[in-house]
Amino acid sequence: NAGVTQTPKFQVLKTGQSMTLQCAQDMNHNSMYWYRQDPGMGLRLIYYSASEGTTDKGEVPNGYNVSRLNKREFSLRLESAAPSQTSVYFCASSGTGTNSPLHFGNGTRLTVT
Amino acid sequence: AQSVTQLDSQVPVFEEAPVELRCNYSSSVSVYLFWYVQYPNQGLQLLLKYLSGSTLVKGINGFEAEFNKSQTSFHLRKPSVHISDTAEYFCAVIPQGGGGFKTIFGAGTRLFVKA
Repeated sequence: NAGVTQTPKFQVLKTGQSMTLQCAQDMNHNSMYWYRQDPGMGLRLIYYSASEGTTDKGEVPNGYNVSRLNKREFSLRLESAAPSQTSVYFCASSGTGTNSPLHFGNGTRLTVT
Repeated sequence: AQSVTQLDSQVPVFEEAPVELRCNYSSSVSVYLFWYVQYPNQGLQLLLKYLSGSTLVKGINGFEAEFNKSQTSFHLRKPSVHISDTAEYFCAVIPQGGGGFKTIFGAGTRLFVKA
């Protein structure tokens, strides 16, 4: 029972480099999310996809793009990484109901030097 | 708008002692309430949730929480903690009718269980 799978687990980038964080879920969930977690800041929503074919900005979308590739997969792209994007990134998914809890992956720890 | 306040950033406790992690929320509409746990180097996982009905809800690993509407609180309790309960705990709310993207998280409480 994999749940939500994120790759890679760790990544180090130099300022200006680009990368894509991958996320896949096997729970047939409609909604998927990208969060970042920083010390003292809690969890902040970057982008979400309420259903296949739609994406919307969250609280902190600047510097990021997303793609909902299909129902299972939701990727996050950093086009030109900055040190301020050093963080732990979590992908999550949830079912259809408005009270459905979030199911999280194990995170990607990204360092931008 | 909603907000969630976790009143303690860190809670140290000895093994087998009881623990309470406090959570208060503010909202102009009714909310659904959740507690998540994050073990080191892992993602968050659902501990328990209150959607409606009985105000005392039981979750995994012996945790329970009580919804108090008049005090807008949803405190998490465990009567006897284990070393393995050492983790960060997050309280969260979703406004009714809102959907997952409207989840508001508290800042987290680090529970440290000492032998």
